[in-house]
Amino acid sequence: GQQLNQSPQSMFIQEGEDVSMNCTSSSIFNTWLWYKQDPGEGPVLLIALYKAGELTSNGRLTAQFGITRKDSFLNISASIPSDVGIYFCAGRYNNNDMRFGAGTRLTVKP
Amino acid sequence: EAGVVQSPRYKIIEKKQPVAFWCNPISGHNTLYWYRQNLGQGPELLIRYENEEAVDDSQLPKDRFSAERLKGVDSTLKIQPAELGDSAVYLCASSQDYSSYNEQFFGPGTRLTVL
Repeated sequence: GQQLNQSPQSMFIQEGEDVSMNCTSSSIFNTWLWYKQDPGEGPVLLIALYKAGELTSNGRLTAQFGITRKDSFLNISASIPSDVGIYFCAGRYNNNDMRFGAGTRLTVKP
Repeated sequence: EAGVVQSPRYKIIEKKQPVAFWCNPISGHNTLYWYRQNLGQGPELLIRYENEEAVDDSQLPKDRFSAERLKGVDSTLKIQPAELGDSAVYLCASSQDYSSYNEQFFGPGTRLTVL
């Protein structure tokens, strides 16, 4: 099946540091998406990537769609306390069916 | 614009009891999804509706789970009877349609605890 391996599982960083997390799969996806989930809330879309090799930024966030279409990474620059949360990658296949990774839990120490 | 609304936000029940979750999608969104999110995991799709039709329920445990979306607007997900392993967050999402370029918007979820 379309299993996603997301790493790292958790990160503890100091405010101001850069963060990098990634997602890999043995399957090809048409779209890669990155979501953030705050406690007690549903996931919120951060970045969507539609083409292999695509590099997209959203403020301090940058994400890339791997050339092989089997991986993606998300970078957060100059982290701030409100970046705390769980970040999920998701690969989309078919039209709008998505498979989610297990998440990366980010803790930012002031 | 109001987002996806779910209720209740929390539910605690004893095993073998029935439970129901309600979702009101964003106005005008034709596609509605129910996901289950186990602790420490990402969401997993249970069922997808196109208007009032359940077009993908392959991951829905049909022996105890049922869902409906009467009139193609709000939806109810039911578990009867609940088991200990059903403890999870149940998320509802909606999108304008099933196109790959339409974002899915998630509700806050219902956290179910089965004792």
